[in-house]
Amino acid sequence: DGGITQSPKYLFRKEGQNVTLSCEQNLNHDAMYWYRQDPGQGLRLIYYSQIVNDFQKGDIAEGYSVSREKKESFPLTVTSAQKNPTAFYLCASSAWTVANYGYTFGSGTRLTVV
Amino acid sequence: QKEVEQDPGPLSVPEGAIVSLNCTYSNSAFQYFMWYRQYSRKGPELLMYTYSSGNKEDGRFTAQVDKSSKYISLFIRDSQPSDSATYLCAMNLNNAGNMLTFGGGTRLMVKP
Repeated sequence: DGGITQSPKYLFRKEGQNVTLSCEQNLNHDAMYWYRQDPGQGLRLIYYSQIVNDFQKGDIAEGYSVSREKKESFPLTVTSAQKNPTAFYLCASSAWTVANYGYTFGSGTRLTVV
Repeated sequence: QKEVEQDPGPLSVPEGAIVSLNCTYSNSAFQYFMWYRQYSRKGPELLMYTYSSGNKEDGRFTAQVDKSSKYISLFIRDSQPSDSATYLCAMNLNNAGNMLTFGGGTRLMVKP
């Protein structure tokens, strides 16, 4: 089945530690996105990529980094510079014709600082 | 002011009620409009999309767009407890890969 897979489902980070969230899709989508969702709040865009080896900062990129070495993969690293990383992280992908198909979202990773 | 406004709720209704969820937006250039449903601790899933003004129906769900008022609605008929979720509206400018702009979501609770 085609879809988008995020792992792990739950992740715990110690203070000062970098962690990487995985996002893989087999939908042959060109574009991929990372969003952060805090309790009771909407989606805030962290980074997005519309083509391999290229990505753009979203609204809240500080303290995060990404790479796009393969079309299928768009990992997100939460660095120690991100002072309040506890949140629900969502990865999404889309075909170039966004309007016809919308975004396909993964099931999310819940990151907690311990 | 946010580009897309959505009442966060929660909206609590009895089972069987008709539910109306709404979004207002400020950018008159938006052309494509979508509704996503997000269950707790899950990723959003696309529920409906419409282009420009008009209505679209799919089972118990009807999406309505009024571009003159910059207002979109999602109606749920015969609401069920399984409809309890957060509903996010989203919109974009054209179909050439532009970013979606999301509303903040409305939490709906349908009580048996």
